[in-house]
Amino acid sequence: DAKTTQPTSMDCAEGRAANLPCNHSTISGNEYVYWYRQIHSQGPQYIIHGLKNNETNEMASLIITEDRKSSTLILPHATLRDTAVYYCIVEGTSYDKVIFGPGTSLSVIP
Amino acid sequence: NAGVTQTPKFRVLKTGQSMTLLCAQDMNHEYMYWYRQDPGMGLRLIHYSVGEGTTAKGEVPDGYNVSRLKKQNFLLGLESAAPSQTSVYFCASSYSLAQAYNEQFFGPGTRLTVL
Repeated sequence: DAKTTQPTSMDCAEGRAANLPCNHSTISGNEYVYWYRQIHSQGPQYIIHGLKNNETNEMASLIITEDRKSSTLILPHATLRDTAVYYCIVEGTSYDKVIFGPGTSLSVIP
Repeated sequence: NAGVTQTPKFRVLKTGQSMTLLCAQDMNHEYMYWYRQDPGMGLRLIHYSVGEGTTAKGEVPDGYNVSRLKKQNFLLGLESAAPSQTSVYFCASSYSLAQAYNEQFFGPGTRLTVL
């Protein structure tokens, strides 16, 4: 299964769009990209996932590059409650290798 | 609909003691997972189950055992606790193994300290 790399931390002004990048250059054709976030020390929460096409739901948008080697999670209007650690994972058929790396710590600043 | 619940929320053990962590889900999910999270790190998969009566090893299975006797419950056991097992343990469940529908629902976590 593909591994992912994300920046360690990012800041975003309240009300602005937060763009969180993820590199997954070794992704294979049947692997999905999933995004989760973890607020404080709570259990992670699912945000969105995609295969090839861009996806949007009530929480966020997911932009996947045409070569699928990277993606960007977009929170269109960040609020203070969006301060969390965001995890990008690639999910294939080997669930013993599902990896939640360190993620990106997003701080939304008033 | 309680989702995924974990028991207990906190526990302190002495080295060598045993304990069982209970995870329960009321969403009729087939798949269940146990993760551990150490300070400043992501989650690592310990064991998982693709259905009642089945279990499989994840990334870090040593020192743990699991059982899935009922579809709604997934138990994680520590037979002889060690300080290296001090961590926060998260349980999760998902509806389907199909990748397009494998959104995982997480419990609130169990904070375990081994002295």
